[in-house]
Amino acid sequence: ETGVTQSPTHLIKTRGQQVTLRCSSQSGHNTVSWYQQALGQGPQFIFQYYREEENGRGNFPPRFSGLQFPNYSSELNVNALELDDSALYLCASSLFPGTSGGAFWGDQETQYFGPGTRLLVL
Amino acid sequence: AQSVTQLGSHVSVSEGALVLLRCNYSSSVPPYLFWYVQYPNQGLQLLLKYTTGATLVKGINGFEAEFKKSETSFHLTKPSAHMSDAAEYFCAVRDSGYSTLTFGKGTMLLVSP
Repeated sequence: ETGVTQSPTHLIKTRGQQVTLRCSSQSGHNTVSWYQQALGQGPQFIFQYYREEENGRGNFPPRFSGLQFPNYSSELNVNALELDDSALYLCASSLFPGTSGGAFWGDQETQYFGPGTRLLVL
Repeated sequence: AQSVTQLGSHVSVSEGALVLLRCNYSSSVPPYLFWYVQYPNQGLQLLLKYTTGATLVKGINGFEAEFKKSETSFHLTKPSAHMSDAAEYFCAVRDSGYSTLTFGKGTMLLVSP
């Protein structure tokens, strides 16, 4: 069983540029969540993808966008980078057991995190 | 809205001493609670979780936590600290009807010889 992997490990960009971060989910998982962890802070939820669609979003502007692919891997894209975007970006995968009349997250859903991508914006 | 408060940004203990990291949460529905550990320059590793059932939860590396609904707490303990326990610890809450995690700001555990 392979764990969650992320690429690249480190990245340096300049203000105004665009960046794409990648995440491969753990084998058997179908959901990917992205978090931003600023220095000295806890991770903050950006958004989640399930079945290739956004399934919840935190308090982040539209220049943060994502994709999920049929193999459940995911990308996080950030446009018009700002200095405050400098952070560790964490991807977490989990298994959503299914729906029954509406979304329901049971106790099977535990998020497993990758090692992160450290982004520095100059 | 959910929230998590971790008391103490830094906790220092001696090797062999009791470790106690505090976590209080607020949630409008029965919560699922998690503790994650983060070693320097690494991602988050799940230590333990509470979903339903027994309120005393045992995790990896000798850690355990107790869910106390009346106190809205989920404190993490370990009877005897080891040097390798030095890391940052994050408490997180997830409402049972939702899938996103809300994290505390973290507590850095320092272990001295």
